Amino acid sequence: DVQMTQSPSSLSASIGDRVTISCRASQSISKYLNWYQQKPGKAPKLLIYATSSLQSGVPSRFSGSGSGTDFALTITSLQPEDFATYYCQQSYIAPRTFGQGTKVEIK
Amino acid sequence: QVQLVQSGAEVKKPGASVKVSCEASGYTFTGYYVHWVRQAPGQGLEWMGWIDPSSGGTDYAQNFQGRVTMTRDTSLSTAYMELSRLRSDDTAVYYCARDGPSYTALTYWGQGSLVTVSS
Repeated sequence: DVQMTQSPSSLSASIGDRVTISCRASQSISKYLNWYQQKPGKAPKLLIYATSSLQSGVPSRFSGSGSGTDFALTITSLQPEDFATYYCQQSYIAPRTFGQGTKVEIK
Repeated sequence: QVQLVQSGAEVKKPGASVKVSCEASGYTFTGYYVHWVRQAPGQGLEWMGWIDPSSGGTDYAQNFQGRVTMTRDTSLSTAYMELSRLRSDDTAVYYCARDGPSYTALTYWGQGSLVTVSS
């Protein structure tokens, strides 16, 4: 199985900050890396697919980058509604493994 | 619009089985795999497997091999996930989900079904 490792596991940031979350795959997954946002009690929401494609309706302050094994999700100018947990997931090969999550909290 | 509506919460005893349903609407049910993902309390997301509603073919994560069965009823546009020999650590919210129209990312999600395993 492809192991997905996110860092950091949690972070504290202020409104307006630029935040970057990293995700590393245990083998090359080409561009098949997706990012989800989850708020308490809710289903995950797709933010970014195929490394850098913004899902419809997602604000442009979210962006994704990377290739092969190293990927990143960047939020420019963090907003109050962005405090949540973020997960990466590879869709290159089954099982479609997730990272362990990164919780973004208010500083 | 695409919707996935799941069955309600369940409480089961250890050793029992649970069957969760996921009714799809707003698209051609047989056109997209249905994935199942679970989340234990306070924990991360765990992909369980998928079913191809067109053929009935399945692919299960190793962790669930031998205990999970995914089926579908195309006449009802409904997918099912049955987990047997339940343990307390199977207590979780179980989600069904579907990929996007042209990309492999879980774009549409059900609301989740809480399964509690307790004696």
